[in-house]
Amino acid sequence: AQSVTQPDIHITVSEGASLELRCNYSYGATPYLFWYVQSPGQGLQLLLKYFSGDTLVQGIKGFEAEFKRSQSSFNLRKPSVHWSDAAEYFCAVRQAAGNKLTFGGGTRVLVKP
Amino acid sequence: EPEVTQTPSHQVTQMGQEVILRCVPISNHLYFYWYRQILGQKVEFLVSFYNNEISEKSEIFDDQFSVERPDGSNFTLKIRSTKLEDSAMYFCATMTGEETQYFGPGTRLLVL
Repeated sequence: AQSVTQPDIHITVSEGASLELRCNYSYGATPYLFWYVQSPGQGLQLLLKYFSGDTLVQGIKGFEAEFKRSQSSFNLRKPSVHWSDAAEYFCAVRQAAGNKLTFGGGTRVLVKP
Repeated sequence: EPEVTQTPSHQVTQMGQEVILRCVPISNHLYFYWYRQILGQKVEFLVSFYNNEISEKSEIFDDQFSVERPDGSNFTLKIRSTKLEDSAMYFCATMTGEETQYFGPGTRLLVL
C-alpha cells in the first residue's frame, strides 16, 4: 500500500528566511504528487502538483517543489517566507490509475517575526 | 473562481443521531470524494463517487455511512447512527477528469 511520510511535525522559521518541507512516499511507480496548505479554520488549498515532465514545479504563493525519483521525495520550498505562510502543509499522493489521495501527517509551520 | 462549498460549517449532535453533511461541487466536476480528519491526525479517504455510484471506499466507510447525489447537484454524506469516534472534520472534494481534487472548507462534526 502506498504511504506518505512528512518527517517534520513542526517547523519554526523566521520571516524572510527560506523554508523546506520534506515529503517521502512509498509506491511502486511514480504517483501523482500534490502539496496542499490548510490555514487555521480553513479547508485544503492546492499549492502545486506533479504528474510528469519537469521535476521542478512551480505553484501558487511563491512555492515550488522538486520531485526526485531516486529518493522518492517531493520536497516543498519557498525562498522567503511571509507571516501569512503560517499554516499546516500536507503532501499527498495518488496512484495514476486510482482516485483517492493518500496524505502525509502534515507539517505545521510557525513564522517568527 | 469556482469553489466547493459545504454545509453546515459546524454540527454538534448526540451519539446515535443521524447527520447529513452536504457538499455543492464545482459545476462541471464529475468525481466526488469525502475525506475526514480526526483532530491531530492525518486526512483520511472515506469514499469516492462517480456516475451515481461508489467507485471506491475505505474500511472506515462501513454500513453506517452512505453517500448520494439526491438532486444532481448536492453531494451528501450521511452517518446513520453517530458514534463518539465520528467526531472529525469532514472534507468534500471534487474533480473533473484532470486529476486535481479541489477541497471544500470542511464540516466540523462533534458527537457528544
